[in-house]
Amino acid sequence: GENVEQHPSTLSVQEGDSAVIKCTYSDSASNYFPWYKQELGKRPQLIIDIRSNVGEKKDQRIAVTLNKTAKHFSLHITETQPEDSAVYFCAAMGSGGGADGLTFGKGTHLIIQP
Amino acid sequence: DAGVIQSPRHEVTEMGQEVTLRCKPISGHDYLFWYRQTMMRGLELLIYFNNNVPIDDSGMPEDRFSAKMPNASFSTLKIQPSEPRDSAVYFCASSFVHEGYEQFFGPGTRLTVL
Repeated sequence: GENVEQHPSTLSVQEGDSAVIKCTYSDSASNYFPWYKQELGKRPQLIIDIRSNVGEKKDQRIAVTLNKTAKHFSLHITETQPEDSAVYFCAAMGSGGGADGLTFGKGTHLIIQP
Repeated sequence: DAGVIQSPRHEVTEMGQEVTLRCKPISGHDYLFWYRQTMMRGLELLIYFNNNVPIDDSGMPEDRFSAKMPNASFSTLKIQPSEPRDSAVYFCASSFVHEGYEQFFGPGTRLTVL
């Protein structure tokens, strides 16, 4: 089955700096890669996603890049703000005609230092 | 739409008791997923349904776990008998594949088995 590795487990950055979180996946057939943000005691919420036919996607301060050959994808947050502090999860979904369950990475605790 | 609804939000029970968790997906969604979140194992897929039919239950840990989806607006996850190691937050999520692969998570049920 799919295996997703996520690094680092904890990331501390100064407010205003950029943060980068990296993930690798094992199943070359995976075709959908979402990123979720989870605040303490809350549900995971999608912040950005990318499909395997796209190399990069950007939404304001957030961007995701995908390297299918290396089976690697990354989340980039620029101009970080205190409200960006949370746990971020990457995930991968298998191929097929419809949807599939997500395989999640172990999460990155992002800390924004004032 | 109210989003994915789960009940109860918190459940405390004693080892050996039966536990039933409930989920109402977003109206019109055709996929429903059950995930479990613990500190040790992170977020893991238990089972998912497509149009009320179970598609993949390979993540269900043991025969003590069972899930049903009798209609498009209701699903249950049952644990019988419960054990302390079942303590976790259980999330239900739903999606409508024709609008993309985004999975919308419910608020979760925090289960504590004493």
